[in-house]
Amino acid sequence: HVQLVESGGGVVQPGRSLRLSCAASGFAFSNYGMHWVRQAPGRGLECVAIISYDGRSKLYADSVKGRYTISRDNSKNTLYLQMNSLRPEDTAVYYCAREQWLVPSDWGQGTLVTVSS
Amino acid sequence: EIVLTQSPATLSLSPGARATLSCRASRNVGSYLAWFQQKPGQSPRLLIYDANNRATGIPARFSGGGSGTDFTLSISRLEPEDFAVYYCQQRANWYTFGQGTKLEIK
Repeated sequence: HVQLVESGGGVVQPGRSLRLSCAASGFAFSNYGMHWVRQAPGRGLECVAIISYDGRSKLYADSVKGRYTISRDNSKNTLYLQMNSLRPEDTAVYYCAREQWLVPSDWGQGTLVTVSS
Repeated sequence: EIVLTQSPATLSLSPGARATLSCRASRNVGSYLAWFQQKPGQSPRLLIYDANNRATGIPARFSGGGSGTDFTLSISRLEPEDFAVYYCQQRANWYTFGQGTKLEIK
């Protein structure tokens, strides 16, 4: 049973940093690429970052490039998203997702990030 | 950026009816299109990948079609649990999602 549990969300002031974590279980984490996808309140979905199974390849949306860093620790079955220089428009629920067929196939429940002064 | 436009914005149908949702891409995405379902307070669920392939455990009443710029998601006979918001997503150039179609009970 695939399980993805995000944590680390909260309220943060503009310009500050936050690190999200995603604990994976129920599958061979080190064999799968992983995605971070966000959803602003009442809005649609936006893919923000993707990492390959071994962590060597990382891709970012233009809206977060240079501010966000995706990483993983396969020994801990954990995915991370370091978010720096946060802006009010980064406010969203952040989901981690396992990649199958090159799309996010299994999603966590999400963690809410609110950027506000 | 490839923009996906979904129509209609809202679709009102009765249980047992057939639903057809549309997704149009601003540029050719080949068959690199997926469909997701999202219910209130839940995370999205993958239904279809690469235009017409059902994901694991997805009922056969869900089917996808199309290629290039025009795609459809069909639900043959609506069950009460099918009423939700549906998103399309392309992966031909980065990953972008449509704005969603809300399928509501008539």
